[in-house]
Amino acid sequence: AQTVTQSQPEMSVQEAETVTLSCTYDTSENNYYLFWYKQPPSRQMILVIRQEAYKQQNATENRFSVNFQKAAKSFSLKISDSQLGDTAMYFCAFMRGSGGGADGLTFGKGTHLIIQP
Amino acid sequence: GAVVSQHPSWVICKSGTSVKIECRSLDFQATTMFWYRQFPKQSLMLMATSNEGSKATYEQGVEKDKFLINHASLTLSTLTVTSAHPEDSSFYICSAIDTWDQPQHFGDGTRLSIL
Repeated sequence: AQTVTQSQPEMSVQEAETVTLSCTYDTSENNYYLFWYKQPPSRQMILVIRQEAYKQQNATENRFSVNFQKAAKSFSLKISDSQLGDTAMYFCAFMRGSGGGADGLTFGKGTHLIIQP
Repeated sequence: GAVVSQHPSWVICKSGTSVKIECRSLDFQATTMFWYRQFPKQSLMLMATSNEGSKATYEQGVEKDKFLINHASLTLSTLTVTSAHPEDSSFYICSAIDTWDQPQHFGDGTRLSIL
């Protein structure tokens, strides 16, 4: 079984600052996917970024980027030029890669990110 | 594209009744749908995986007879909470995918309150 650990229950930064959210995971799988999801107060789950384990290049999506360290099983999310709308719960998630069918996501406990004006 | 609709968004009912939650993929065919449960201020926990036309696969600790899942078509999966009790009160979220290597698309969730 795999586990996902987010060690920062809450973080607070000023608007326009850069913030990094930590995530570590444990798995014996070699083929897998990692995700960061955002959950605002509306509780809608919004995909922020995704990383395939077989790719060495770190994924980026506009202001969001990851630092994927496969050997260390670390997958941190960096948010640049943070905005008030970034305030939300952020969940790190793991999914096994399998050609035989889809797998559900294993989520970390989440980090509550607060962007202060 | 890739819209998943979940209904109802909020339901309140008396203890002992059964409640059905629908999850629909509106613009794609969902080969697989997932059901998650989220307690207040906690993370999402996978309850079950449902493939069209076959029985759902439940995670360890999830009661199959309490949480009935039906995935009768490529666009609809339902979760029925049978004989619901206050401890079943929670936020239930579905997700769907068309191919196994694509990100899951989430519905907006259902807030279930059992009195």
